[in-house]
Amino acid sequence: AQTVTQSQPEMSVQEAETVTLSCTYDTSENNYYLFWYKQPPSRQMILVIRQEAYKQQNATENRFSVNFQKAAKSFSLKISDSQLGDTAMYFCAFMKNFGNEKLTFGTGTRLTIIP
Amino acid sequence: DAGVIQSPRHEVTEMGQEVTLRCKPISGHDYLFWYRQTMMRGLELLIYFNNNVPIDDSGMPEDRFSAKMPNASFSTLKIQPSEPRDSAVYFCASSEPRGAGGDNEQFFGPGTRLTVL
Repeated sequence: AQTVTQSQPEMSVQEAETVTLSCTYDTSENNYYLFWYKQPPSRQMILVIRQEAYKQQNATENRFSVNFQKAAKSFSLKISDSQLGDTAMYFCAFMKNFGNEKLTFGTGTRLTIIP
Repeated sequence: DAGVIQSPRHEVTEMGQEVTLRCKPISGHDYLFWYRQTMMRGLELLIYFNNNVPIDDSGMPEDRFSAKMPNASFSTLKIQPSEPRDSAVYFCASSEPRGAGGDNEQFFGPGTRLTVL
């Protein structure tokens, strides 16, 4: 079975600063996907960024980027130039095989952006 | 597209009552997932369907829970009888067929907040 660990229950950062959220996972699979989802107070789950395990290049989406270390089974999210709208719970998630499988979530990190 | 639609958004019921949660996936999506979110257990998969057929129901807690997908545009999650420990937010999500060119993204509905008194 796969497990996903987020060791930072809460974080806070000043607006416009950069913040990095940590995620580690454990799996025996070789092919898989990793995701970061954002859950604002509205509780809607929103995909932030995804990474295919077979790709060495780290994924980026505007101000969001990941540091994917396959050997270390680490998948951190960096948010640059943080904005007030980034305040939310952030969940790291794992999906095995080639997709269309269940997501296994971490416990989440509550991020607060301070004005 | 309106996205994944769930109803009701909020449900308050008394212990022992039957509860039915509903989900309409995005048109054209043939995978449908039911997740539950609680403070104690976080987000966990209950069951998922492909082409209306249940693929993995290992997360369904017990026989009190049942899920159906009678057609491609509708699914239900039923709890009978409900218990206070079933209080949670229940999410439905859908995704495109494998190989459709999508990015395996699961699109989530707004969730149903269930409170069992």
